[in-house]
Amino acid sequence: SQQGEEDPQALSIQEGENATMNCSYKTSINNLQWYRQNSGRGLVHLILIRSNEREKHSGRLRVTLDTSKKSSSLLITASRAADTASYFCATDETGGNEKLTFGTGTRLTIIP
Amino acid sequence: GAGVSQSPSNKVTEKGKDVELRCDPISGHTALYWYRQRLGQGLEFLIYFQGNSAPDKSGLPSDRFSAERTGESVSTLTIQRTQQEDSAVYLCASSLGLAGDYEQYFGPGTRLTVT
Repeated sequence: SQQGEEDPQALSIQEGENATMNCSYKTSINNLQWYRQNSGRGLVHLILIRSNEREKHSGRLRVTLDTSKKSSSLLITASRAADTASYFCATDETGGNEKLTFGTGTRLTIIP
Repeated sequence: GAGVSQSPSNKVTEKGKDVELRCDPISGHTALYWYRQRLGQGLEFLIYFQGNSAPDKSGLPSDRFSAERTGESVSTLTIQRTQQEDSAVYLCASSLGLAGDYEQYFGPGTRLTVT
């Protein structure tokens, strides 16, 4: 299986609810990043969390990192229709030659 | 300033033909990455360039794939003798440095369809 795997693969919620997506990975990492992709095109960086950090906030986004469990979660609070997109985690593996390894993504649909 | 641009946005080609995809990174970004994304899948790393260092070609799937970058500017990804399995969106990204500490800025991608 891949280095980064998001869970669930797809998620549909009502507008205003909170959305939680999880990412699991297999190797030691330097940091983990979350990206959003609309309509199968370019990705947009959301947040970067380093291996020595446990939680980070950016606006309505909250990211946690548990290196002992090799997992991260992305929480979007008070979801909006515009949050509909695919969300990917990407890991910078220790000794991984400086490239990001992307997960398979979670497809989030916000129902108005 | 301008973001990462890619051209063409869409390319339809016949099996066996060569294609060239172009990426213009953000000015001043020393690192440039190419990825492939098949329909409904995650991103597959292909190659990266960092300054004047030798590129990391470890993700190129076959010798039909090659890429070049002129200094710290434009990059081209060439696929020779295209096959149907090459059909995908090809994404380019640039960053101020290597992946570990810097976010990547993505272009809109080139959707390649091999018929």
